[in-house]
Amino acid sequence: EVQLVESGGGLVQPGRSLRLSCAASGFTFDDYAMHWVRQAPGKGLEWVSGISWNSGSIGYADSVKGRFTISRDNAKNSLYLQMNSLRAEDTALYYCAKDMSPDYYDSSGYQNWGQGTLVTVSS
Amino acid sequence: QSVLTQPPSASGTPGQRVTISCSGSSSNIGSNYVYWYQQLPGTAPKLLIYRNNQRPSGVPDRFSGSKSGTSASLAISGLRSEDEADYYCAAWDDSLNVFGGGTKLTVL
Repeated sequence: EVQLVESGGGLVQPGRSLRLSCAASGFTFDDYAMHWVRQAPGKGLEWVSGISWNSGSIGYADSVKGRFTISRDNAKNSLYLQMNSLRAEDTALYYCAKDMSPDYYDSSGYQNWGQGTLVTVSS
Repeated sequence: QSVLTQPPSASGTPGQRVTISCSGSSSNIGSNYVYWYQQLPGTAPKLLIYRNNQRPSGVPDRFSGSKSGTSASLAISGLRSEDEADYYCAAWDDSLNVFGGGTKLTVL
């Protein structure tokens, strides 16, 4: 059974940093692209970032480009999101999602999702 | 303001067929696949349709997707109370994944 478990969320002040992690199990992690998708309270879904199976291709939403960095460690079956210079508008539930394709830009859709980790940016 | 446009709400009665539209442009829906996700209250999203009209294993054939030009639709036939959820369309737009604002489906 595919499992994606996010961690690392919490309350952080504007301008500070936070690192999210996603522990994957139940599938061959390095066969698939992975993504971060967020959902602000009471709002819709927003793609944040995606990374291909070998980290060879990476993409970011314009809203986080230059502030967030996605990475993965295939040996540890883990996905990460380093978030710097956080803003109030980054407050959201952050989901880790598994693609059905190896390359993030040739996505076949997000077949599996974690339960999310909540990030709250407030002073 | 979402890149893809969906009606904020839709409704139907049990057994009815409902459709949810998703409108985009030539740079997203017009030239890339469309995906649909279902989000039940308090849960993570679930992939319903991928590559315009393909259903992942386990998704009932009551759900179907279609695309024409720069628009797409999700159809749900034989509506059930458990279909009450938020539905999101998505597409790629120049290496960025864009979502619609979501449609809240109410089963009356």
